Amino acid sequence: EAGVAQSPRYKIIEKRQSVAFWCNPISGHATLYWYQQILGQGPKLLIQFQNNGVVDDSQLPKDRFSAERLKGVDSTLKIQPAKLEDSAVYLCASSSGTGVTGELFFGEGSRLTVL
Amino acid sequence: QKEVEQDPGPLSVPEGAIVSLNCTYSNSAFQYFMWYRQYSRKGPELLMYTYSSGNKEDGRFTAQVDKSSKYISLFIRDSQPSDSATYLCAMRRNSGNTPLVFGKGTRLSVIA
Repeated sequence: EAGVAQSPRYKIIEKRQSVAFWCNPISGHATLYWYQQILGQGPKLLIQFQNNGVVDDSQLPKDRFSAERLKGVDSTLKIQPAKLEDSAVYLCASSSGTGVTGELFFGEGSRLTVL
Repeated sequence: QKEVEQDPGPLSVPEGAIVSLNCTYSNSAFQYFMWYRQYSRKGPELLMYTYSSGNKEDGRFTAQVDKSSKYISLFIRDSQPSDSATYLCAMRRNSGNTPLVFGKGTRLSVIA
């Protein structure tokens, strides 16, 4: 079974530029999450999708961050304009949403450096 | 006060040692407790999960939850260099699709 795919793995941009990250979840997983992991911290939820609808985006800085999940499969996360404090790893995770744990499967992440 | 507190370490132990990793939390609504392991430059992967209070054992790993104290632990017996990673505690209110809340993670190094 293929895992969660993310690209690009690494991106370096200057502040005020824009960047987009792409995620392809595990086939059949209805739930998709974007987490932000700043160096030395645990992942923080940015947005959760159920199919192509948003379940929770309460911690997404909507003035600069946007995300979409067209057709309930792939998702993109965009940052425009980027700030220095956006330097982090952006993790995509997917879940079938079933079972006790509703286990999240993570991709390897997209590492963003804002200069 | 953060919802989930975890000592970030780093923690360095000799091979074969028993490792104890801990988290405390403030939200009594949390019912599902998990430990994720994250190797350098990789995404987290689920290691253990526990529902409510009690112990769960899986090979060299034991997870404990004490809801009365709002305290969870992960024990690693006979630690190996391959256990060197960051260990993240995570918890959620309900099963299924409710979001996970993570601790900061504890960075562990097992020295051969």
